[in-house]
Amino acid sequence: SQQGEEDPQALSIQEGENATMNCSYKTSINNLQWYRQNSGRGLVHLILIRSNEREKHSGRLRVTLDTSKKSSSLLITASRAADTASYFCATDEYGNKLVFGAGTILRVKS
Amino acid sequence: DTGVSQDPRHKITKRGQNVTFRCDPISEHNRLYWYRQTLGQGPEFLTYFQNEAQLEKSRLLSDRFSAERPKGSFSTLEIQRTEQGDSAMYLCASSDNSGGDGYTFGSGTRLTVV
Repeated sequence: SQQGEEDPQALSIQEGENATMNCSYKTSINNLQWYRQNSGRGLVHLILIRSNEREKHSGRLRVTLDTSKKSSSLLITASRAADTASYFCATDEYGNKLVFGAGTILRVKS
Repeated sequence: DTGVSQDPRHKITKRGQNVTFRCDPISEHNRLYWYRQTLGQGPEFLTYFQNEAQLEKSRLLSDRFSAERPKGSFSTLEIQRTEQGDSAMYLCASSDNSGGDGYTFGSGTRLTVV
């Protein structure tokens, strides 16, 4: 089963614009993580935000977490063509595994 | 250490044949995970090891699937009597005990059952 649901399913923007992806989940979590996947490849860990954190930054990435609404957002600023990929949120439900959503496909046009 | 390695990268097999995939995790990582991903979907959890102990298995892991991690190092995932529905990308990941740095994924094994 998949816990998180990303929105939108697909996003197409121009290089230099910001991209925002949202994730909703259903249960209590220990942390929430975002991953990137280039076509046909494995996933790359981008950022982890703990349940007691509200916002976190890493380079051009900004993640927010609202545990009351069970939602998170990933903002990529000043996007580049190389950011074209699928982005997944994944939740750690105090268990032994991550549960992934279906992902957002981001296309950055140069 | 070059990260998580998976072998083979691609596997085409005939329906009914057995296949085995291998995963070599990051050597310092105690935890090893197998996921399956179909086109347009996120990874779905299959099973998880803490060292050599298999601690959790998904209901997706039917009796045709078996995973091992002898000596707590590399792991193998075997699928017996493959079916066309088994066609997918099989991903392996590893993490330390805390999981605080997230998972490190391998590049996956793409299985096609014809």
